[in-house]
Amino acid sequence: QKEVEQNSGPLSVPEGAIASLNCTYSDRGSQSFFWYRQYSGKSPELIMSIYSNGDKEDGRFTAQLNKASQYVSLLIRDSQPSDSATYLCAVNGRSNTGKLIFGQGTTLQVKP
Amino acid sequence: DTAVSQTPKYLVTQMGNDKSIKCEQNLGHDTMYWYKQDSKKFLKIMFSYNNKELIINETVPNRFSPKSPDKAHLNLHINSLELGDSAVYFCASSFSYEQYFGPGTRLTVT
Repeated sequence: QKEVEQNSGPLSVPEGAIASLNCTYSDRGSQSFFWYRQYSGKSPELIMSIYSNGDKEDGRFTAQLNKASQYVSLLIRDSQPSDSATYLCAVNGRSNTGKLIFGQGTTLQVKP
Repeated sequence: DTAVSQTPKYLVTQMGNDKSIKCEQNLGHDTMYWYKQDSKKFLKIMFSYNNKELIINETVPNRFSPKSPDKAHLNLHINSLELGDSAVYFCASSFSYEQYFGPGTRLTVT
């Protein structure tokens, strides 16, 4: 079992729709969770961090964490073509050493 | 101003050569990292330094040697380059848990 798993996609949604990206992790003691966006040929850009169960909203982005289910998700409301990118889920393990474990990423395509 | 910078942006070299990549951050962070992103886009941590002290050293060939002269700089030296070292190498820095990435160095070994 991979430590952090994401569906590689591509996930295709029409412009204006809600995009839902999912991630599961194997270490039940994981402490902190992150979503990065990576455009082709560019570096990962931090868009959301979440540390406790529940929802965290920032603009059009909502991160959801369920530690009991070892599941973290990212919702993008009113998706725009500029949101088309690869979204990387990253998990910081129970020791919180800063060792981020990344999923393989989900490619999102937003069609005009 | 660029927060995390890396040089060079591109590096093309032959097998067996030795090369270095440099990273600098002006965010005042005390922890810096090296990551490798392979051709399948999988991003994996290699090393981490906190205030010049090595704190994460993943299973990486000892041909790779990181060095942190001060907490704003982190270098990566690679000896005897192999074809499999071709990848994008990202530097990152953090103050707490959130890590911020540099633009990357695309290394191509021929």
